[in-house]
Amino acid sequence: NAGVTQTPKFQVLKTGQSMTLQCAQDMNHEYMSWYRQDPGMGLRLIHYSVGAGITDQGEVPNGYNVSRSTTEDFPLRLLSAAPSQTSVYFCASSYQTGTTNYGYTFGSGTRLTVV
Amino acid sequence: AQSVAQPEDQVNVAEGNPLTVKCTYSVSGNPYLFWYVQYPNRGLQFLLKYITGDNLVKGSYGFEAEFNKSQTSFHLKKPSALVSDSALYFCAFLSGSARQLTFGSGTQLTVLP
Repeated sequence: NAGVTQTPKFQVLKTGQSMTLQCAQDMNHEYMSWYRQDPGMGLRLIHYSVGAGITDQGEVPNGYNVSRSTTEDFPLRLLSAAPSQTSVYFCASSYQTGTTNYGYTFGSGTRLTVV
Repeated sequence: AQSVAQPEDQVNVAEGNPLTVKCTYSVSGNPYLFWYVQYPNRGLQFLLKYITGDNLVKGSYGFEAEFNKSQTSFHLKKPSALVSDSALYFCAFLSGSARQLTFGSGTQLTVLP
C-alpha cells in the first residue's frame, strides 16, 4: 500500500516551459487536492477534486490546470512556468462516509524551481 | 472568512518540559480541526483531529489537543518534549461543502537538548 505517490521529487524549469506534476493514490479515495507551500504562508489550495470527472479551483488556481479521469490519478499541469511558481507542491487524498471526513493523507512533495 | 490562526511563528522549549503550540479558529458551525506535522524535507503527517465528542483528543507520538469552544482554541500539547519533536506544525480545518483543508501559517517548534 503506497499511499499518495508524487513524481518527480525535484524539478527545475525555465520560464515559459510547461510540465505536469504527477499524483497517484491507491486507497480508493474520492477526494484529492493540490497544495503549494511557501515560507510563512502555510499550504494554499490550488485545485481539488471530489471524484473522477469533477474538479474545482482553490485559493490560488491561476497558472495551473488539473483533470481527474480516474479515481487514482490527479495530475497538476503548469501551463507556462513563472518564477512565482517556485514552491513545494503537495498532493493529498481523503475519503468520507456520510458527513464524516477522515482527514487527508499527503504525498512527500515536489520541489519545483523556475529560473 | 473562516480561518485558523497560529499566533507564534517559533516556539522553543527545553527537552523534558511540556510544550504547547497554539491554534485559534474562526469557523462557523461545528468545526473539524486537525493538527499535522512536517519534518524537514518531508510531507505532512497527520497527528490528530477533532470532530465531535470529547474535548481532549489524543493523537500520535504522545501529542494531544484540547478543543475549547468558549476560547475558540485548539492548542496542541505534549507533557514532555523530545528533541525529535522539532518540526513544523500546522493547524487546519475542513471547510466548504467540498471538505477541503485550510491551513494556518505554521509554527516551527524547536526542542533544545
